Amino acid sequence: DGGITQSPKYLFRKEGQNVTLSCEQNLNHDAMYWYRQDPGQGLRLIYYSQIVNDFQKGDIAEGYSVSREKKESFPLTVTSAQKNPTAFYLCASSTSRDAAYGYTFGSGTRLTVV
Amino acid sequence: AQRVTQPEKLLSVFKGAPVELKCNYSYSGSPELFWYVQYSRQRLQLLLRHISRESIKGFTADLNKGETSFHLKKPFAQEEDSAMYYCALSGRWSNYQLIWGAGTKLIIKP
Repeated sequence: DGGITQSPKYLFRKEGQNVTLSCEQNLNHDAMYWYRQDPGQGLRLIYYSQIVNDFQKGDIAEGYSVSREKKESFPLTVTSAQKNPTAFYLCASSTSRDAAYGYTFGSGTRLTVV
Repeated sequence: AQRVTQPEKLLSVFKGAPVELKCNYSYSGSPELFWYVQYSRQRLQLLLRHISRESIKGFTADLNKGETSFHLKKPFAQEEDSAMYYCALSGRWSNYQLIWGAGTKLIIKP
């Protein structure tokens, strides 16, 4: 079954902790993206990667970090520097950097700070 | 600056009534416009794109460059259309990344 898998579905973080959200795809897509989804604000781009070992900051990269060591994987770390991390996080991938081909989305991870 | 505006956070219509979800954009040049949909407990997915000029699940959207709009329309709403709808654009000036509207929650009343 091809697609994007995000894990875990729910994640709880204590103040001051770093947590890592997983995103894996078996679609052979070159480009991968991380978005944050907050009510009433739509999707905001955190980081994206168009090729292995390369990634760029999106609009709200502060407090987050990523890596792209493998084509299939694009994990997102939410660091303690992120002041308001409670949100729904979506990972997406596409065949090309050109969004005209459409994005495939994962099912998301809901992160809550406790 | 590139921007997508969906003026309605919530739209509620009766089953069988026409639906129009508004989307306006600002962009220098010729953007690609998209509608994405997120049904309850399902993944966000592409509904349609203006370059395809297609009709998906009875929905259509026409790009109006004069009014810089890309409104999503369906003549007769069905209960299964209830979902969150996002308008998005991409183009050269956004480095081909998607720029998203805030979304409109569509509720179809029986």
